[in-house]
Amino acid sequence: GAVVSQHPSWVICKSGTSVKIECRSLDFQATTMFWYRQFPKQSLMLMATSNEGSKATYEQGVEKDKFLINHASLTLSTLTVTSAHPEDSSFYICSAVSGAGDTQYFGPGTRLTVL
Amino acid sequence: SQQGEEDPQALSIQEGENATMNCSYKTSINNLQWYRQNSGRGLVHLILIRSNEREKHSGRLRVTLDTSKKSSSLLITASRAADTASYFCATDSRGGADGLTFGKGTHLIIQP
Repeated sequence: GAVVSQHPSWVICKSGTSVKIECRSLDFQATTMFWYRQFPKQSLMLMATSNEGSKATYEQGVEKDKFLINHASLTLSTLTVTSAHPEDSSFYICSAVSGAGDTQYFGPGTRLTVL
Repeated sequence: SQQGEEDPQALSIQEGENATMNCSYKTSINNLQWYRQNSGRGLVHLILIRSNEREKHSGRLRVTLDTSKKSSSLLITASRAADTASYFCATDSRGGADGLTFGKGTHLIIQP
């Protein structure tokens, strides 16, 4: 149980385009999902907290107008990187918490490369 | 912000030996979790230890938590080649409502 999927697994796009990444909890409902970013050989950094039906909460230094988050249902959150630039190239990973539990279950990640 | 520090940053041991990784953090926590990440992949949850717990076991894994020293250790016994991965500790201060603060990770290599 507690499986989280992400789509796509990887994406290559041109500078200036927007990219949408989906995060789904497959076998549980997630009122809260989180988005993280990981640069090569580095650790994960929390970008934002996504709550179903409300606006996302962004960490300091993360531009909310650049990284649009939508959490329209209890099983789906999306991250849209708008007007992507090469410096946005990174590994984006989402996680979800099941019910009242404390364990975060992570998706397999999406590797974004912006040319 | 990054508050966890793992040491060592990298560790290479022979298959069958035990591997110990340490993690330190700076602020008070509710839970501390350990995750494994294979190269370029997502994270696999290993174990969660609560702030009022001192030790926890799961199979070949043993985790300790010392809140007075703000540190935790992960011991993998009888290591296997498949244990080769990066290991991260992550903390939260409010349970499931909180995003996790990750340490820098330890890259573990098990030599066959």
